[in-house]
Amino acid sequence: EDQVTQSPEALRLQEGESSSLNCSYTVSGLRGLFWYRQDPGKGPEFLFTLYSAGEEKEKERLKATLTKKESFLHITAPKPEDSATYLCAAPISGGYNKLIFGAGTRLAVHP
Amino acid sequence: DTGVSQDPRHKITKRGQNVTFRCDPISEHNRLYWYRQTLGQGPEFLTYFQNEAQLEKSRLLSDRFSAERPKGSFSTLEIQRTEQGDSAMYLCASSSRRTGSGEQYFGPGTRLTVT
Repeated sequence: EDQVTQSPEALRLQEGESSSLNCSYTVSGLRGLFWYRQDPGKGPEFLFTLYSAGEEKEKERLKATLTKKESFLHITAPKPEDSATYLCAAPISGGYNKLIFGAGTRLAVHP
Repeated sequence: DTGVSQDPRHKITKRGQNVTFRCDPISEHNRLYWYRQTLGQGPEFLTYFQNEAQLEKSRLLSDRFSAERPKGSFSTLEIQRTEQGDSAMYLCASSSRRTGSGEQYFGPGTRLTVT
């Protein structure tokens, strides 16, 4: 069964304290791994797409990496404005029609 | 703002009533998706349109749910005879086949509360 699992469920960091979020997946014929950020009461905001093991993408303090079994979202020197829920997702039907999401990691960064 | 828009943003209804939500995708996007999200969970796929054709529906979409995209532009999601279990955030997303990368762009969602 196709599945995406994220850990930890919640993470509390001090400002400047770097850490990583994990997304493990069991999806047949992976055609991409997506990361989104979601603020409370809002829709998910697209961050990255990763296609193949070894690929890395960066945006400001965020860096996403992909292996054959999991993806990591590294947060370097986070700021309070990085507080949000981070979701990963993978397409599980032909093309990119249906995304299966993990439950997300709720990140809180305190000053 | 050329992002995905949804209306209304919030809806409170009584059990048994019908509700309809609207989604306007990014203008050049031909693919449109509906998802449902409950507290503490990631979005769950409901249905997918390519232009005006509804090509995929989840088993989650019971016969009380119907979605349309009549002219391949905006879409509506109707829930008939609402139940308390329908309370959730309903998210719309769109994507473009031309980009080839598959990323979906989400709207702000419609928060439904069934009392």
